Amino acid sequence: QVQLQESGPGLVKPSETLSLTCTVSGGSISGYYWSWIRQSPGKGLEWIAYIYYNGNTDYNPSLKSRVTISVDMSKNQFSLKLRAMTAADTAVYYCARDTTWGGFDPWGHGTLVTVSS
Amino acid sequence: FVLTQPHSVSESPGKTVTISCTRSSGNIASNYVQWYQQRPGSAPTTLIYEHRKRPSGVPDRFSGSIDRSTNSASLTISGLETEDEADYFCQSYDSSNRVFGGGTQLTVL
Repeated sequence: QVQLQESGPGLVKPSETLSLTCTVSGGSISGYYWSWIRQSPGKGLEWIAYIYYNGNTDYNPSLKSRVTISVDMSKNQFSLKLRAMTAADTAVYYCARDTTWGGFDPWGHGTLVTVSS
Repeated sequence: FVLTQPHSVSESPGKTVTISCTRSSGNIASNYVQWYQQRPGSAPTTLIYEHRKRPSGVPDRFSGSIDRSTNSASLTISGLETEDEADYFCQSYDSSNRVFGGGTQLTVL
């Protein structure tokens, strides 16, 4: 059974870049799309971006200018970089596998990222 | 587009509750709607996918439907149990985005 685990800093300073990694276990990253999603009290759940195992990507138009998503098949991982962080980016960040039906399953446990000086 | 859900609903154990999810633009039937359950401190889990299908392990007390006339989707939970108390989110997509509803907090009292 596929499991996902997010890792990265819990605290980021304003204007800095957030870097998160999602490690996939129990299955291969190959053949699937993989997404980052975040959840903040103010904006609920928000899809950030997806990447296909071959490197094809798509981004939420509202975040596209600040986001980069990448994949490392050798490590069975994919990663997120979000630039120019502000307090509005404080959220729980989840990684998830995209499904053929346009949803997400399974999800990682999530990691809380706080933006503060 | 936006998916609009009621902020909260409440009902008694054993009763039936329905949570709506209205799509602001675009045809609700054109892109699959999913429903997720989220308990405090946990990630969302899939309750319904492709408008009305249930993953294995999800009780048949949970059902999904769409209504083209109101451009909305609904999640119905029958035989409410106290363990159903959670947040519920609808989700769909279009060619450029994947969108979640704002979530509905279900209280079973």
